[in-house]
Amino acid sequence: RKEVEQDPGPFNVPEGATVAFNCTYSNSASQSFFWYRQDCRKEPKLLMSVYSSGNEDGRFTAQLNRASQYISLLIRDSKLSDSATYLCVVRGAGSYQLTFGKGTKLSVIP
Amino acid sequence: DAGVTQSPTHLIKTRGQQVTLRCSPKSGHDTVSWYQQALGQGPQFIFQYYEEEERQRGNFPDRFSGHQFPNYSSELNVNALLLGDSALYLCASSFAETQYFGPGTRLLVL
Repeated sequence: RKEVEQDPGPFNVPEGATVAFNCTYSNSASQSFFWYRQDCRKEPKLLMSVYSSGNEDGRFTAQLNRASQYISLLIRDSKLSDSATYLCVVRGAGSYQLTFGKGTKLSVIP
Repeated sequence: DAGVTQSPTHLIKTRGQQVTLRCSPKSGHDTVSWYQQALGQGPQFIFQYYEEEERQRGNFPDRFSGHQFPNYSSELNVNALLLGDSALYLCASSFAETQYFGPGTRLLVL
């Protein structure tokens, strides 16, 4: 089983739509969770950290379910500028490394 | 305030050669991590440097080595290049938990 698994997509959605991405992780001792976004041929950029109680940043909402080892990202009112690959990222307890999923590609269509 | 910078941006080498990639961290950051991102994959952790020492290493062979200088900048060296080393090499700097990525060096091995 891969350490961090994501549906690769692509997700093609119209502007204004709501889209949700899911991610599962295998290490139950994982301590920190993030969503990064990566535009084509660019570096990953931190979108948001994910907290146990769930958190929201504008149109973006992240949820963590430790019991199911599951992380989600919800994007409301999609914009053309949201088109990117979204990377689910996990850090294990006592570890400094970030473990990335392969990413989920989102295309927002006019 | 400059972000993470990397040089060179692109590099072409042949099998068996050696390469050195460079990274300058964001101002105020003291930790540098290196990642390899193959096409269509998420970044894979190579190692992390802190206080001029390798603090943690991922699952990469000894051909991959690094260094951190007193000014916190870092180098990644890869010896005996293989075709499979062709990838985007990303440097990330941090002071606390959050890692910020540089634009990467795109390495092509022929």
